[in-house]
Amino acid sequence: DAGITQSPRYKITETGRQVTLMCHQTWSHSYMFWYRQDLGHGLRLIYYSAAADITDKGEVPDGYVVSRSKTENFPLTLESATRSQTSVYFCASRAARDIQYFGAGTRLSVL
Amino acid sequence: GENVEQHPSTLSVQEGDSAVIKCTYSDSASNYFPWYKQELGKGPQLIIDIRSNVGEKKDQRIAVTLNKTAKHFSLHITETQPEDSAVYFCAASTGTASKLTFGTGTRLQVTL
Repeated sequence: DAGITQSPRYKITETGRQVTLMCHQTWSHSYMFWYRQDLGHGLRLIYYSAAADITDKGEVPDGYVVSRSKTENFPLTLESATRSQTSVYFCASRAARDIQYFGAGTRLSVL
Repeated sequence: GENVEQHPSTLSVQEGDSAVIKCTYSDSASNYFPWYKQELGKGPQLIIDIRSNVGEKKDQRIAVTLNKTAKHFSLHITETQPEDSAVYFCAASTGTASKLTFGTGTRLQVTL
């Protein structure tokens, strides 16, 4: 199916564990983004990537690591999860004319 | 960096009435202003957008207006229907990457 898919949809983990959230797009868009959504904050940019092997920090990058070895994949890793990272995470890719398309999200709970 | 404020946080209207959501932004270099609709359990979906060289844009029951001087933009939904009930986010972007800065969202409830 064409589009942007995130996995897993739900994840429960413990503090201190490493967690990787996956994002895959089928459009070959150059730009990809990771946001977190928290009540009262809207969506905040964590990291973004302009192309394979090119990544840059967003507004709230601390505690997160990204990589992009292939254009279609943009995984987000929490190297040592903390309770403050409990959130809903959205991946997006950017098409022509600046339009961003979002995945369905991953709901992460850190206990 | 850019800061986007959105009001109101909740809005309840009767079916058939109009709804207006307002946003202000801080960075005069921002040049692209999308609006997203998010239904429960889903990702945000673009419903309309406007660029800094345009003052108003319409798409059926939805319109967006932009006042660059005052740095504010608004979403107008006419003849609201129950399926319009959702959370709406405004955003502003600038720069090559078109990074989006979002408002905090408006929960719109359309009652029968």
